[in-house]
Amino acid sequence: DAGVIQSPRHEVTEMGQEVTLRCKPISGHNSLFWYRQTMMRGLELLIYFNNNVPIDDSGMPEDRFSAKMPNASFSTLKIQPSEPRDSAVYFCASSHDRLNQPQHFGDGTRLSIL
Amino acid sequence: QKEVEQNSGPLSVPEGAIASLNCTYSDRGSQSFFWYRQYSGKSPELIMFIYSNGDKEDGRFTAQLNKASQYVSLLIRDSQPSDSATYLCAVRVTGGFKTIFGAGTRLFVKA
Repeated sequence: DAGVIQSPRHEVTEMGQEVTLRCKPISGHNSLFWYRQTMMRGLELLIYFNNNVPIDDSGMPEDRFSAKMPNASFSTLKIQPSEPRDSAVYFCASSHDRLNQPQHFGDGTRLSIL
Repeated sequence: QKEVEQNSGPLSVPEGAIASLNCTYSDRGSQSFFWYRQYSGKSPELIMFIYSNGDKEDGRFTAQLNKASQYVSLLIRDSQPSDSATYLCAVRVTGGFKTIFGAGTRLFVKA
C-alpha cells in the first residue's frame, strides 16, 4: 500500500512568495495532521482534520498559514506571504481515528525561505 | 497543557549493549503510546506501540508501560550502529484524535 505522499520534497523560494504544500493521506485513513519540525522547537502540530473537517488549528502560528482538505484524499498547507522564519521541514501524517491507531508520516517537505 | 517529556540526550551506548529510553506524560487518561524512530533528514517511523500496562516485545525492541507512574520506556537489546537515531515518544490524548510528541532522545551506538 502506498504511504502518505507529500509534494514537493524540497521548496526554495524568496520571502513574500506564496508556498503551497500538498499531501495525500493513506487510503482509508480519516484523520490528517500537519506538523512542522525545526531543531529549536522539535515537532509541532499545526492543524488536524477528521473526516475532512478541521478539528484543531490552534497550532497554526499566524494568519499567514492556512490549510484545507477538500476531500478525503488531498490536503494543502499554504503560507502567504512566506517569511524566512517559516523555513522548516513540514510533515503530513494520517491515521484512522479508531482508538489506538498510530499516525503514519510522509517523507516531508523541506522548505527554505530566502 | 498536556505534555510528553523525554531526556534529549545524547544517549551513547556501545554496540551490543541495551539502550534504555524513557518518557513521562501528563495526561493520566491516555491509553495509547507510540515510539517512533527518526533518522537524520528522514521522517518519523513507527517502531512500537503499547496500550496495556506491562511489557511488549518485538524483536530487539521492548516497550514498557506503567500507567500508575505515567511512564513509558523503550529498551533496545543488542544495540547496533544502525539504531543510532532520534527516538520520539508519542501519547494519544484522551478523548480526541491528537497525539502529543516528546522532543525526542538522540541515541548513538558506538561500534
